Amino acid sequence: AQTVTQSQPEMSVQEAETVTLSCTYDTSESDYYLFWYKQPPSRQMILVIRQEAYKQQNATENRFSVNFQKAAKSFSLKISDSQLGDAAMYFCAYITGTYKYIFGTGTRLKVLA
Amino acid sequence: AAGVIQSPRHLIKEKRETATLKCYPIPRHDTVYWYQQGPGQDPQFLISFYEKMQSDKGSIPDRFSAQQFSDYHSELNMSSLELGDSALYFCASSRAPALHEQYFGPGTRLTVT
Repeated sequence: AQTVTQSQPEMSVQEAETVTLSCTYDTSESDYYLFWYKQPPSRQMILVIRQEAYKQQNATENRFSVNFQKAAKSFSLKISDSQLGDAAMYFCAYITGTYKYIFGTGTRLKVLA
Repeated sequence: AAGVIQSPRHLIKEKRETATLKCYPIPRHDTVYWYQQGPGQDPQFLISFYEKMQSDKGSIPDRFSAQQFSDYHSELNMSSLELGDSALYFCASSRAPALHEQYFGPGTRLTVT
């Protein structure tokens, strides 16, 4: 079965500091996509970053970057220069062959001023 | 740019009533996905449609049904509502062949009393 695991229910970071959110997944597929979504209090699902499994280069979007370790099935999100607006629930997600999302249980990120 | 539209945004129903949620995908998108997010939980896949045909089915109760219409909008019909159906219901859309590029709507918050 395809699963996504986020072992950190909650994380805190000081404003302007760096934080890394962990995610592991399990799949037997060789080609797939991985995502990090942000869900602020408004509960809108906002795409943060996407990684194609066939690409060895780690994806980067401004202050957000991933560490994709395909052999280890690990996909962590690094947020640099954390801002108060980064406070939200973060979901790691995997997309299956039928293109449905499998989400992790989420990590609540608190940003301390 | 046009986004996914969901209506209504909020809905309050009593137990055993029926509810209909609507999703209007981004123009020219041909695929729609429905997700259910209970309080404090991650989104769970319910059902998806591609070109008006059901393409995949998740943990959707038999009390729920859905369809995609000729204009590609989709409706999720929920009957005999239970308290446990209270959740945020997301719709996402994409366009073949880039089915991994899904865009989420703002969600419909359903409260069953």
